[in-house]
Amino acid sequence: AAGVIQSPRHLIKEKRETATLKCYPIPRHDTVYWYQQGPGQDPQFLISFYEKMQSDKGSIPDRFSAQQFSDYHSELNMSSLELGDSALYFCASSLEGHYYEQYFGPGTRLTVT
Amino acid sequence: GIQVEQSPPDLILQEGANSTLRCNFSDSVNNLQWFHQNPWGQLINLFYIPSGTKQNGRLSATTVATERYSLLYISSSQTTDSGVYFCAGGEGTYKYIFGTGTRLKVLA
Repeated sequence: AAGVIQSPRHLIKEKRETATLKCYPIPRHDTVYWYQQGPGQDPQFLISFYEKMQSDKGSIPDRFSAQQFSDYHSELNMSSLELGDSALYFCASSLEGHYYEQYFGPGTRLTVT
Repeated sequence: GIQVEQSPPDLILQEGANSTLRCNFSDSVNNLQWFHQNPWGQLINLFYIPSGTKQNGRLSATTVATERYSLLYISSSQTTDSGVYFCAGGEGTYKYIFGTGTRLKVLA
C-alpha cells in the first residue's frame, strides 16, 4: 500500500541556513500535518493543512512556514536555522473525511551544526 | 490543552512475556491513536481507538472514554516489539497531542 513520502530523509545544515522539507501524502488524502520530534521527546504538532488552507496551528516558530499545493503535497520551509531545530520532522496525512486517523511518513532527520 | 500521561515510562521484558501499557488523559479526547516508533524512528499506526476494544494479532487495545484512559496489551512479546509506544489524543479537529511514551525493550 502507498505510504506518505518525505524528502529528503536526512538533511544537514549549518546555523542560519534555510531548509525545505517536502511531504507527499497518500493518494486521496487531502489533509497534511507536520510534527517535530526532538531527541528523546514526543512528537509536537506544528501545523496542518486541509484543501490547501491552513487548518490548525501549533507551536510552530515564526521562522518556519508551510503550505499545501494543488496536488496536495506540502512543504515546510525553515529559515535562520538554530541548533535547537535539530529534530525528526514527520509529515502525516489523513483521508478525505477521516481527519481523525493520521498516517505518518518516515520522517526527515534534520541536523543543524 | 490536554495532558497525556503514559505508564510505565520504561519496560524491559523477556521474550514471550505479556505487558500492559496505559495512557491517561486530563480531559476528554475526541480521537485516540496508538503508535509504535521502531528503533529506526518510524511511527507506525497500531490502532485508531476512540472507544471500545480492538485486536490485531498479538496486540489489542481498549479505550474507556468516560474514564479518560486507554490500554495497550502486548502478548507473547518478541524482540521486534522493542521501541517506543506512544498514545496520542485528538485536540480540536486536526491536532494530536502525544504522550511521553513507553520505552519497551524485549530481551531474547
